[in-house]
Amino acid sequence: DAGVTQSPTHLIKTRGQQVTLRCSPKSGHDTVSWYQQALGQGPQFIFQYYEEEERQRGNFPDRFSGHQFPNYSSELNVNALLLGDSALYLCASSSGLADFSYNEQFFGPGTRLTVL
Amino acid sequence: DAKTTQPPSMDCAEGRAANLPCNHSTISGNEYVYWYRQIHSQGPQYIIHGLKNNETNEMASLIITEDRKSSTLILPHATLRDTAVYYCIVRPYSGGGADGLTFGKGTHLIIQP
Repeated sequence: DAGVTQSPTHLIKTRGQQVTLRCSPKSGHDTVSWYQQALGQGPQFIFQYYEEEERQRGNFPDRFSGHQFPNYSSELNVNALLLGDSALYLCASSSGLADFSYNEQFFGPGTRLTVL
Repeated sequence: DAKTTQPPSMDCAEGRAANLPCNHSTISGNEYVYWYRQIHSQGPQYIIHGLKNNETNEMASLIITEDRKSSTLILPHATLRDTAVYYCIVRPYSGGGADGLTFGKGTHLIIQP
């Protein structure tokens, strides 16, 4: 049973460019969340997709956008890259039908983005 | 969401119980306590969660004080593979599946051989 997969593993971009990161959720999961983790910090929630719609959003600018496909996979797009966007981007999947108190999210290994 | 306070780092000898504290003095009645950990170069991993009762699973035990203002995650027999950053998160459940989580800096637990 494949877990959460992300691609690419590493990426180098320059300021002003645009980037697309990809995530495939764990089998049986229909909800995908994206997180940004700067060096030495905990992950920060960007947004969550469920049924191809953005369901929740953290405190991130509109330069960060996403998409979810019918097969539940997801993309994270970042426009007009800034140096401060350099981070590990984590994708997490979960079930939209989970038990009311259950907040287990399964994380992928992440994509390391470096902006020069 | 309620704020949590954790020590930045802790050491524990291999084979001993590791007790990781978390302070959440502003927790609300509908907020759950979640613990995740992140081993170096991996994504975070769910450990356990609870509302007010103590909880135990195959990985750990969660002890929540009666006033719910603090909790302790217990790894009963720590191994070198338990070296990781441990995050305590307090979050209400809004319904309809898992919610986005906001992690603090966590506690870096180092298991010593």
